[in-house]
Amino acid sequence: EDKVVQSPLSLVVHEGDTVTLNCSYEVTNFRSLLWYKQEKKAPTFLFMLTSSGIEKKSGRLSSILDKKELSSILNITATQTGDSAIYLCAVGETSGSRLTFGEGTQLTVNP
Amino acid sequence: NAGVMQNPRHLVRRRGQEARLRCSPMKGHSHVYWYRQLPEEGLKFMVYLQKENIIDESGMPKERFSAEFPKEGPSILRIQQVVRGDSAAYFCASSLSLGGTEAFFGQGTRLTVV
Repeated sequence: EDKVVQSPLSLVVHEGDTVTLNCSYEVTNFRSLLWYKQEKKAPTFLFMLTSSGIEKKSGRLSSILDKKELSSILNITATQTGDSAIYLCAVGETSGSRLTFGEGTQLTVNP
Repeated sequence: NAGVMQNPRHLVRRRGQEARLRCSPMKGHSHVYWYRQLPEEGLKFMVYLQKENIIDESGMPKERFSAEFPKEGPSILRIQQVVRGDSAAYFCASSLSLGGTEAFFGQGTRLTVV
């Protein structure tokens, strides 16, 4: 069975800190890895990664995939209180019909 | 371009009633996915549909649950004879094509069974 594991499950930091969230996966036919941010309701898309070693960047957020280690990290620099959310990692297979999600990392950024 | 629209946002049903959850995908998207998020758990895949076809329903409970995506109108997730364990947030996502593109999620429908 496909599996996605995120760590840590919960993280509390102060504004301005840099955080690194981890995601590891076991998937039969890997196609892509996606990161989402979930605040009160809908998960909102952050990144999709398909190639190993290529960093994707959006403002203070960046992410990279390591297919050899079957893992990805999501970095957030200079955190703000608005970054407080659950960050979800999901993996898609080549069949394309589903995403397998991890449990998420609950990030709390205190002022 | 409106995002994925789900309604209702909140739905309360008594045990034994039926629940109907609607999802209108993003404009131009023909792939729809339903996920369920139980309290304190991650998102779990339920079903994947294209217009008029169920492609993968391997994540859907065998009984009481059904889904459709008609030629016209929104996708519907139907839960018959709801039980307390059906209480969860149900999210719909849509994508432009299968593989290679990201899925965008709706706001979800929070179902409470009393």
